[in-house]
Amino acid sequence: GAGVSQTPSNKVTEKGKYVELRCDPISGHTALYWYRQSLGQGPEFLIYFQGTGAADDSGLPNDRFFAVRPEGSVSTLKIQRTERGDSAVYLCASSLTTGTGSTGELFFGEGSRLTVL
Amino acid sequence: ELKVEQNPLFLSMQEGKNYTIYCNYSTTSDRLYWYRQDPGKSLESLFVLLSNGAVKQEGRLMASLDTKARLSTLHITAAVHDLSATYFCAVEGASGTYKYIFGTGTRLKVLA
Repeated sequence: GAGVSQTPSNKVTEKGKYVELRCDPISGHTALYWYRQSLGQGPEFLIYFQGTGAADDSGLPNDRFFAVRPEGSVSTLKIQRTERGDSAVYLCASSLTTGTGSTGELFFGEGSRLTVL
Repeated sequence: ELKVEQNPLFLSMQEGKNYTIYCNYSTTSDRLYWYRQDPGKSLESLFVLLSNGAVKQEGRLMASLDTKARLSTLHITAAVHDLSATYFCAVEGASGTYKYIFGTGTRLKVLA
């Protein structure tokens, strides 16, 4: 597709359940980012991948959160034992590359709105 | 730890007026980005500023970067209603980390 695609767009779940959020980046973009945005706040960094590996996962809030990108394209953010405080919009972004010559400009998807009841 | 602060947080202005949004950050960085977010939508890239003194302009918006002062400005000239949105700046955490930290956002409302 032309842009970053995220599914589902909305997810309502119950406290304690497991959730997976999927991101399909722009074709050819090697860098992929996950951010979390709460109402009225700026995006909060969670993790970024360069290719298949997580280059920086320092923003993951705890071990209930995990993300993978097994083939260097699509990524899945996985949240175990969800809590009400996990409710937010989860944004995925991709970037052409990192390294010399990269501008670092991020292209964002529409987000997945997660509501934990 | 890098902190990125924007002010004002909220801005209500009349059409035709000029105003400036400020983005301050706490540690050295040469890369700063401005994004726009409409309600219920995702973020759209506006400007990429990659060096001290960089200035970019698009329509009624102009962004600049002063890395020595750790400050970027987003200047709005002769505002129109279509500019109503939330504007975010983002800064690279440390050179070469490719970790981008966003500010708190400035919610702009342009009144007709």
